[in-house]
Amino acid sequence: DIVMTQTPLSLSVTPGQPASISCKSSQSLLHSDGKTYLYWYLQKPGQPPQLLIYEVSNRFSGVPDRFSGSGSGTDFTLKISRVEAEDVGVYYCMQSIQLLPTFGGGTKVEIK
Amino acid sequence: QVQLVQSGAEVKKPGSSVKVSCKASGGTFSSYAISWVRQAPGQGLEWMGRIIPILGIANYAQKFQGRVTITADKSTSTAYMELSSLRSEDTAVYYCARGPHTVYCSSTSCQTGYYYYGMDVWGQGTTVTVSS
Repeated sequence: DIVMTQTPLSLSVTPGQPASISCKSSQSLLHSDGKTYLYWYLQKPGQPPQLLIYEVSNRFSGVPDRFSGSGSGTDFTLKISRVEAEDVGVYYCMQSIQLLPTFGGGTKVEIK
Repeated sequence: QVQLVQSGAEVKKPGSSVKVSCKASGGTFSSYAISWVRQAPGQGLEWMGRIIPILGIANYAQKFQGRVTITADKSTSTAYMELSSLRSEDTAVYYCARGPHTVYCSSTSCQTGYYYYGMDVWGQGTTVTVSS
């Protein structure tokens, strides 16, 4: 199974300031079809996860442009350019290149 | 817009089984995988298995092999996850989600492939509590 490692475990951010979350996979997520199957989710308290970013860097429908994803191979980053109060929750990265999708352990983002 | 609506909370005794349903509405059901993901209290997300309704084929994480059964009823656009031999560690919120695979069909055959949105639509979650 591919192990997904996220850092940091938690972030406390002042509104309007940037935030960055790292996700590293134990194997390359680049498929022979040229796509990289890395996703980012936000789980707000008491809610199911919601998709933010698909295939490394594509924002899902309705996701604000302050969210951006980057990376390749085994190293990926989610950035929030200016954190807002509604961005609090736990962020997860996920790989689905293998039949068994696996998630990172999560990064909790809170507002200072 | 596809929505997934799950059945209500369950309280079960150790050793018993639970069956959770996930009904899709508002879109195509059969050609996308429906995955089941669970989240123990205060913990992260764990994929349990998936089914692609049009193929009727289910795959399971090794951890749950022999204890979990995922089925789908195309006529009602409903997927089911049954977990047996319940223990206290199975206390969790169970989610269904669309993806991360889909089926591509030609005039002669179908094959599974990656769904570019990963798991994009999630059910609201079903809390299963296992307690004596």
